[in-house]
Formats: sequence, structure tokens, C-alpha cells
Amino acid sequence: AQSVTQLDSQVPVFEEAPVELRCNYSSSVSVYLFWYVQYPNQGLQLLLKYLSGSTLVKGINGFEAEFNKSQTSFHLRKPSVHISDTAEYFCAVRPEGQGGKLIFGQGTELSVKP
Amino acid sequence: EAGVAQSPRYKIIEKRQSVAFWCNPISGHATLYWYQQILGQGPKLLIQFQNNGVVDDSQLPKDRFSAERLKGVDSTLKIQPAKLEDSAVYLCASSPGTGRQPQHFGDGTRLSIL
Repeated sequence: AQSVTQLDSQVPVFEEAPVELRCNYSSSVSVYLFWYVQYPNQGLQLLLKYLSGSTLVKGINGFEAEFNKSQTSFHLRKPSVHISDTAEYFCAVRPEGQGGKLIFGQGTELSVKP
Repeated sequence: EAGVAQSPRYKIIEKRQSVAFWCNPISGHATLYWYQQILGQGPKLLIQFQNNGVVDDSQLPKDRFSAERLKGVDSTLKIQPAKLEDSAVYLCASSPGTGRQPQHFGDGTRLSIL
């Protein structure tokens, strides 16, 4: 079985400050890793993904994430946030060989204050 | 390209009534997913189709939920009869296949049960 834990339910931060949203996972098989963003009353938009290769992946809107296999983590970072980054962020894993379904964490609400 | 379309966007019904949601995936996407997102939680897979066949419905409450994907394109998800705990956002997603391609999400249907 697989599970995803997002370690912070809410992260308040001031505009232009750096931010890190933490994600840990547990899986008995190899997984692909994803971060999605959800703005109010909208669906999920893909920020970035790790499939293989370099463990540092860059996504849209200046976000990046680093895959750490030994710590089974996939933390999301941005060096300088904007008000428009205020949203819910979801970490998800896709177990290999299990049909493509995503298993999501509980979400982290990022609130950027002026 | 056009995204995943869902309708209606909002639905309010009383418990024990029935309701149906519709999803039109991105053209050419063979795989279609329905997720349930309860307030404050990450999405949870209800059912996955590959073309018009069911791949995974292990978490679908089959005593009240049903889904179909006729002709391998559009899909409908039905709840009959609805319970209070069914209040949630129902998200549809599609992908070209079940490999490394990311899933693309619609804006969802927000269901409120009175």
C-alpha cells in the first residue's frame, strides 16, 4: 500500500519570502511523484513531476522540488513567493504498474500575506 | 487543446435523492478517472476507465455509486440515493494512457447534500 503525508496543513508566509512545502511518502513499489496546485473553485493544475533522472525538478511559476529516495521525500520550494501563489498544494504519488491512479496527500494551504 | 469539461459546476440536493455528473475528457485520452474530494482532504480515486472498460473501482461505494463510459469518450457518475457524507467535489481527470503521462483535471462538480 502507498500513503502520502504532507507535514504542514497551513503555511503562512510574507510576500517575497522563500517557502518550502513538505511531502513524505511510503510505498512498497517504485513511484512517480507529482505536485499539483488548486486555486479556489478550480480543478488541480500540474506544477511539476518527477519520473526519473535528475532529482531536482523545475516546474511552472518558479517552483522546484527535490526527490530524496533515502528519506522518501519530495519537498516543494520557491525562493520568492507572490500573493498569486496563495492556493492549496497537493503532493501525489503514482505507483508503478498499478494502472496510473494517483494517491494524494491531505494538502497544504499556502497563504501569502503582503 | 480544450481541457476536461465537467457539468454541472454546482449541485444541491436533499439526502436520498439521486444525482448525476458528466465529464468530457481531452480528445484522444484513453484513460479517465473520477475522484472524490471531501473538504479539507486530498482527492481519492473512485473509479478508473481505460477506454470503456473499468480498470479500478475498488474504492467506489457500489451500493449507491455507479459510473459508465459509453463509447470510450464521455463519462457519467451517478449517486443514488445520496447520503450526507457524499457532500464533496467530484473531479474528473484524463490522460493519454496509464504510463508516465500526467493527468489533466476538470474544474469539478461541487455537491452539497441537505
